[in-house]
Amino acid sequence: KQEVTQIPAALSVPEGENLVLNCSFTDSAIYNLQWFRQDPGKGLTSLLLIQSSQREQTSGRLNASLDKSSGRSTLYIAASQPGDSATYLCAGRFSGNTGKLIFGQGTTLQVKP
Amino acid sequence: NAGVTQTPKFQVLKTGQSMTLQCAQDMNHNSMYWYRQDPGMGLRLIYYSASEGTTDKGEVPNGYNVSRLNKREFSLRLESAAPSQTSVYFCALRGNTEAFFGQGTRLTVV
Repeated sequence: KQEVTQIPAALSVPEGENLVLNCSFTDSAIYNLQWFRQDPGKGLTSLLLIQSSQREQTSGRLNASLDKSSGRSTLYIAASQPGDSATYLCAGRFSGNTGKLIFGQGTTLQVKP
Repeated sequence: NAGVTQTPKFQVLKTGQSMTLQCAQDMNHNSMYWYRQDPGMGLRLIYYSASEGTTDKGEVPNGYNVSRLNKREFSLRLESAAPSQTSVYFCALRGNTEAFFGQGTRLTVV
């Protein structure tokens, strides 16, 4: 069964700290992995997408990596700010899965001023 | 989340009532999806549609029906709402690679 896991469920850091969010998956036949941000009561905003042929993607202070062999992806946030406080979700699209996304349960990040 | 519009944004139903959640896109993508999001359960796929006129069950389809009459719209119907269907419902599209989500419908069944 294809599963995606995010640990920890919650994380609190002081402003300015660099941090890493973890995502693991059970099926190495991953087509791509997408990171989303969700603010309370809001929808999902796509942050980064990594194709299976790529090892990392960068957007501003965000960097996402993908290691298929170990079944892991990480989202690195540099110089965290209070505005980064949100829930971060990773979702995998796997080969032969008709485009469905399998989601992790998310990591809720709080950045304290 | 431009391109994916869900209506309504909020709804309260009594047990046994029916309703249809609407999703419309202007991105011209074939694949559309309905997910539900529950605390501690993450997002789970209810139904999906690979193209106009086709639909398939996802992980949690019981109690729901869907309709994809045209490329632009994908609706989710609850025929007889139950408290277990209290959730936040998201419609999504899949482009060539990336997925796009609507803002969600927050449904409460009392």
